[in-house]
Amino acid sequence: SQTIHQWPATLVQPVGSPLSLECTVEGTSNPNLYWYRQAAGRGLQLLFYSVGIGQISSEVPQNLSASRPQDRQFILSSKKLLLSDSGFYLCAGGEAGQYFGPGTRLLVL
Amino acid sequence: GIQVEQSPPDLILQEGANSTLRCNFSDSVNNLQWFHQNPWGQLINLFYIPSGTKQNGRLSATTVATERYSLLYISSSQTTDSGVYFCAVEPERGSTLGRLYFGRGTQLTVWP
Repeated sequence: SQTIHQWPATLVQPVGSPLSLECTVEGTSNPNLYWYRQAAGRGLQLLFYSVGIGQISSEVPQNLSASRPQDRQFILSSKKLLLSDSGFYLCAGGEAGQYFGPGTRLLVL
Repeated sequence: GIQVEQSPPDLILQEGANSTLRCNFSDSVNNLQWFHQNPWGQLINLFYIPSGTKQNGRLSATTVATERYSLLYISSSQTTDSGVYFCAVEPERGSTLGRLYFGRGTQLTVWP
């Protein structure tokens, strides 16, 4: 099986600051990779997904971007954070998106 | 896109009770999964079940693809079963490979 690593676990950032969240995958090659955001109230919102290096599909136009510089690395970024970017960010991987990382709790103040 | 509806939204049980969670979806699917999110936020895949029935210990799941629903059964519930249960599907048509659509989940609380 695969293991999804994410860091940091918790992050507090001021409005207007940049963001970089990293996700790495262990145990497979060429996985499908996903970034989700979960706001309070449970629903998972798909932000980006990638089927290969340099291939990124965006689900929701917003203040965030994603990149996949290496096969098993997926990065979520922002140039200037907004208050509304606060939430729980989850990286997932696997051919069916079935493996999730531990998540990063982001609070933008 | 495909609609995924889960019921009930909230469920409170006494330890030892049984429960059934339901997931309805609006179109044909290639892939259906059940996940459990623990109170710390970690999501764990419970079942990959686009059709048929599977069992894993006290948990079992059944998907009736022709009628577009899936059921998750929890028997003899324990406090460690608490958390949110999500159903997620990959549509058969009009979707990129591996793109999952999640329901809003069922919040389960099991009291000792």
